[in-house]
Amino acid sequence: QKEVEQNSGPLSVPEGAIASLNCTYSDRVSQSFFWYRQYSGKSPELIMSIYSNGDKEDGRFTAQLNKASQYVSLLIRDSQPSDSATYLCAVNPNTGRRALTFGSGTRLQVQP
Amino acid sequence: DAGITQSPRHKVTETGTPVTLRCHQTENHRYMYWYRQDPGHGLRLIHYSYGVKDTDKGEVSDGYSVSRSKTEDFLLTLESATSSQTSVYFCAISLGTDLGEQYFGPGTRLTVT
Repeated sequence: QKEVEQNSGPLSVPEGAIASLNCTYSDRVSQSFFWYRQYSGKSPELIMSIYSNGDKEDGRFTAQLNKASQYVSLLIRDSQPSDSATYLCAVNPNTGRRALTFGSGTRLQVQP
Repeated sequence: DAGITQSPRHKVTETGTPVTLRCHQTENHRYMYWYRQDPGHGLRLIHYSYGVKDTDKGEVSDGYSVSRSKTEDFLLTLESATSSQTSVYFCAISLGTDLGEQYFGPGTRLTVT
């Protein structure tokens, strides 16, 4: 089992819809969770972080964390074609290694 | 902009040759990382550094070595390049208190023929 799992997609949504991206992780002691966005041919960029159970909102983005079920999700409201990218989920596994574990990413396509 | 540059940006090399990639930062951040990215695998950690001369292995460290003799530079060396090391390599830094908040360089596309 991979430590961080994401559906590779593509996830296709129409412009203006809500895009829902999901991620599950295997290490129960993980403490912090991150979403990165990566446009084709570019480097990843951090868009959201979440540390506590529940929702965290930032503009059109909402991150949701459920530690009991070991999943984290990202909702994008009013999706725009400019949101088309690959979204990477990352987890800080709280081990001795001071580094993140990334999922393989979900490709999102927003159709105009 | 976290002031991260990578060089070279593109490189084609032959199997068996040594290759060194450079990551340079301008803001004295302590933690630096090297990842590789391949289709279907996402970002995989090769090595990371938590200070000058302090480094540790990641999940895919075989065939790679690193050095950090100055805070601003983190070098990744492929001692004898193989075709399986054809990939896009990203350097990243974290801003300190939260290691998960990482900022990435522009990447190096390496092709081993």
